[in-house]
Amino acid sequence: DTGVSQNPRHKITKRGQNVTFRCDPISEHNRLYWYRQTLGQGPEFLTYFQNEAQLEKSRLLSDRFSAERPKGSFSTLEIQRTEQGDSAMYLCASSPKDWTYEQYFGPGTRLTVT
Amino acid sequence: DAKTTQPPSMDCAEGRAANLPCNHSTISGNEYVYWYRQIHSQGPQYIIHGLKNNETNEMASLIITEDRKSSTLILPHATLRDTAVYYCLGGGGADGLTFGKGTHLIIQP
Repeated sequence: DTGVSQNPRHKITKRGQNVTFRCDPISEHNRLYWYRQTLGQGPEFLTYFQNEAQLEKSRLLSDRFSAERPKGSFSTLEIQRTEQGDSAMYLCASSPKDWTYEQYFGPGTRLTVT
Repeated sequence: DAKTTQPPSMDCAEGRAANLPCNHSTISGNEYVYWYRQIHSQGPQYIIHGLKNNETNEMASLIITEDRKSSTLILPHATLRDTAVYYCLGGGGADGLTFGKGTHLIIQP
């Protein structure tokens, strides 16, 4: 069990550019979640997958955000036309169970939009 | 998900038990109480969860009141490494977690 990994750990981009983050969940965890966290706040839920199916999207996930989980393994989160308000920590979590909130988080990707 | 209320910050002396309270008066009968913590610059870490009965694992104990309107997370022998933000959450499914601002626990040497 190597834990949830996320890449890159830090990303600095200019406003208007597209960025993509990757999350590798714990092996055989069928649920995968994305969250966003800004300074001083708790994480905010964005979306989650069960295997390759995206089951829920928060209203925080604007049209500029898209997430995929091909083949039900790793996941990517893409932000198009980044804005300064997108600057945050993006966290990924995975869960082995379908009915509990026992989620295991990765270290996050810190995005800075200049 | 149930709305939870936690004090914004608490102090505890190293080696003593840290008792973190949480009010969740709107929790429904099938919603679990979950606790997570987040050490600075790391992702949140699952600690423990419970429904009705008290629970204990290698990290902590969870005491849930009989009416389920509140709970207390107990770290029996706090160390400096337990300094973190502790989140109490209520929920019943496998959807995304709803975090509040949590309690910033500071362990004093």
